[in-house]
Amino acid sequence: GESVGLHLPTLSVQEGDNSIINCAYSNSASDYFIWYKQESGKGPQFIIDIRSNMDKRQGQRVTVLLNKTVKHLSLQIAATQPGDSAVYFCALVTGSQGNLIFGKGTKLSVKP
Amino acid sequence: SAVISQKPSRDICQRGTSLTIQCQVDSQVTMMFWYRQQPGQSLTLIATANQGSEATYESGFVIDKFPISRPNLTFSTLTVSNMSPEDSSIYLCSIWTGLNTEAFFGQGTRLTVV
Repeated sequence: GESVGLHLPTLSVQEGDNSIINCAYSNSASDYFIWYKQESGKGPQFIIDIRSNMDKRQGQRVTVLLNKTVKHLSLQIAATQPGDSAVYFCALVTGSQGNLIFGKGTKLSVKP
Repeated sequence: SAVISQKPSRDICQRGTSLTIQCQVDSQVTMMFWYRQQPGQSLTLIATANQGSEATYESGFVIDKFPISRPNLTFSTLTVSNMSPEDSSIYLCSIWTGLNTEAFFGQGTRLTVV
C-alpha cells in the first residue's frame, strides 16, 4: 500500500538560514505531490506542488525537488523567517479523486 | 482558491453524545473530503463525500460512527457519533477542484471528548 514518511520529525534553524524538509514515499503511481504548511489552530495551507514529469519547481523562497528514482521529495525554504515556523506536510494525490495521503509532518522552529 | 468555513471551530463534548460538523464552501465543488488529525499527528482521510452519491469510507472508518451528508455542491456535514475520548481530534473538511490542483482545507474543528 501507499505510505509517505518524513526523515525528521523536528527541525530547528536560525533565522536567515535555509531549511530543508525531506519526505520519502513508497512505490506509487501518483503523479502529483504537494507541500502544505500548517500553523497552530489552522488547516493545512498549500505551499507548492510538483508533477512527476518534473524534478524541480520554484516558488517564492521555496523550492521543491522530486527524485523519482529514490522516491524522495524535499522542500527547501530560503532565508527562513520566524513566520515560517509551522508543521510541514508532504502529500501525494492518489488516483483521480483528489484524496491525499499525508506524510507524518515536520515541525519547523525558527530561532531569532 | 475557495473559501471553506467549518462550524464549530471547537467543542468540548461529553462521551456518548454526538457532534455534527458543518462545512460550507463559497463555490460549487464535486469532490469534498473529511480528514481527521489526531493530536500531534498527520491527517488521515475519513471519507470522500460527493454530491448525489453515498460517501465512500476509508479503511477503519464506518458510516455508523461517522455519518456524512452532502445535500448539495456547497455543503457537507460530518457527524461523530457516540463519542469517546479517543475521538478527540481535529476534523477537517477539504475540497478538490481537479487534476493536478491542490486540495483546499477548512480551518478545522477541534473536538475534545471528556
